[in-house]
Amino acid sequence: AQKVTQAQTEISVVEKEDVTLDCVYETRDTTYYLFWYKQPPSGELVFLIRRNSFDEQNEISGRYSWNFQKSTSSFNFTITASQVVDSAVYFCALSEAPGGYQKVTFGIGTKLQVIP
Amino acid sequence: GAVVSQHPSWVICKSGTSVKIECRSLDFQATTMFWYRQFPKQSLMLMATSNEGSKATYEQGVEKDKFLINHASLTLSTLTVTSAHPEDSSFYICSARKTLSSYNEQFFGPGTRLTVL
Repeated sequence: AQKVTQAQTEISVVEKEDVTLDCVYETRDTTYYLFWYKQPPSGELVFLIRRNSFDEQNEISGRYSWNFQKSTSSFNFTITASQVVDSAVYFCALSEAPGGYQKVTFGIGTKLQVIP
Repeated sequence: GAVVSQHPSWVICKSGTSVKIECRSLDFQATTMFWYRQFPKQSLMLMATSNEGSKATYEQGVEKDKFLINHASLTLSTLTVTSAHPEDSSFYICSARKTLSSYNEQFFGPGTRLTVL
């Protein structure tokens, strides 16, 4: 069974601070995909990143960076110099390898509030 | 692009009525679509996997007769909440996976907020 744990349910930071959102996952698959999504108050899910299990390179995209550590089954997300527009709920997700139904399992989400 | 639309974006209905929600992939074909449900301040829970031309696969605990899914074409899946009750009030989100996709990325619709009075 797949499981995604986001231990932080709510985080508040002051604008311009850096913040890291934690994600720990469990899966029996050797091939799998990890995702981060942003859900602003409007409700629409915004895709941020996809990482496959064979690619452990960290990635940076502007103020966003991701740290994938297979040894600890973690896929953490860092926002540098946070802005008010970053306020949203962030979901980490895991999907099984191609060939199956490829269900996506979501974590419970971390609500980030960036205070001006 | 890969755009998924949902219609309606919100709906209010009386208890006992049925509500149909449409999920369309606008610029790609989707053999597989997924239906999720999200209660306030909670995560997305997969309800069912919908494959074009075949019966949907429901997750454990989801009533098939309550939540009817029809995936009649490669661009359209519908979810019908039959005899809706207030406890069915929720945010329903669909996603679509591109046919012949080499990786498992799902494109999400904007969601439909259902309120049952």
